[in-house]
Amino acid sequence: DAKTTQPNSMESNEEEPVHLPCNHSTISGTDYIHWYRQLPSQGPEYVIHGLTSNVNNRMASLAIAEDRKSSTLILHRATLRDAAVYYCILRARDFDTDKLIFGTGTRLQVFP
Amino acid sequence: EAQVTQNPRYLITVTGKKLTVTCSQNMNHEYMSWYRQDPGLGLRQIYYSMNVEVTDKGDVPEGYKVSRKEKRNFPLILESPSPNQTSLYFCASSFQGAAKNIQYFGAGTRLSVL
Repeated sequence: DAKTTQPNSMESNEEEPVHLPCNHSTISGTDYIHWYRQLPSQGPEYVIHGLTSNVNNRMASLAIAEDRKSSTLILHRATLRDAAVYYCILRARDFDTDKLIFGTGTRLQVFP
Repeated sequence: EAQVTQNPRYLITVTGKKLTVTCSQNMNHEYMSWYRQDPGLGLRQIYYSMNVEVTDKGDVPEGYKVSRKEKRNFPLILESPSPNQTSLYFCASSFQGAAKNIQYFGAGTRLSVL
C-alpha cells in the first residue's frame, strides 16, 4: 500500500473550520482515499472516502487534489466531540486483502 | 443497529491462563479482522478472515489463534497469554473485496496480562 504523511497534531477552536491535510505522492490510479478517526477510548470509525472527486457527507468533506497526490479532510465547524486522532489511509483495489494500514495519524485538539 | 460487539471490554488475567475475546457483527460481512493497538506502534493487524473457515495471519500473529465457524463471529484466542500481549484489541468487519468498502470497529477490549 502507498504511504501517507500527516502532521502529528493540529489545534482548532470550537465552531471554526478545520482542514486536516494528507500527502500521498505515491498513490496509484485505483487507490481509494479513506479517512477514519479514533475518539478517546473508542475504536476507529469511518469518516469519509473518495477516489477522484470531492466528497461530502454529514460528518465532513473530502477535497482531493487534481493530481491526487494530496487530500484534505474538512470539518466545517469543529466541536469538542471532534477531538480525536484522524487517519488518512489509502486502500488499493486489491481483492486479496482488505487490511487497513494505519499510520500515526493527526491528533486534533479542539478548544472551547 | 449495525454494530461490531466485543466482549469483554476489560480483562485482567495472569500469565498462561487461556482466554478468549469474542467478536460478533450483525451486518452479514464476509471480512473480519483483529487489531492490537500499542502506544507508539499504532494499530497492527493480528489475524483476518475473508469468510467462514478462511483465516490468515496478519502482521503480528504470534501467540494468537482465531476461528471462523460462523459468519457473524470471529473469536480471538490467547492459549497462553504473556505480559507482552497486554494491549488494546479491536475487532473490525466489512464487506469483502472492494477498496471502497467501509470497515466497522468494535469498542475495544483492554487486556492486562500480569
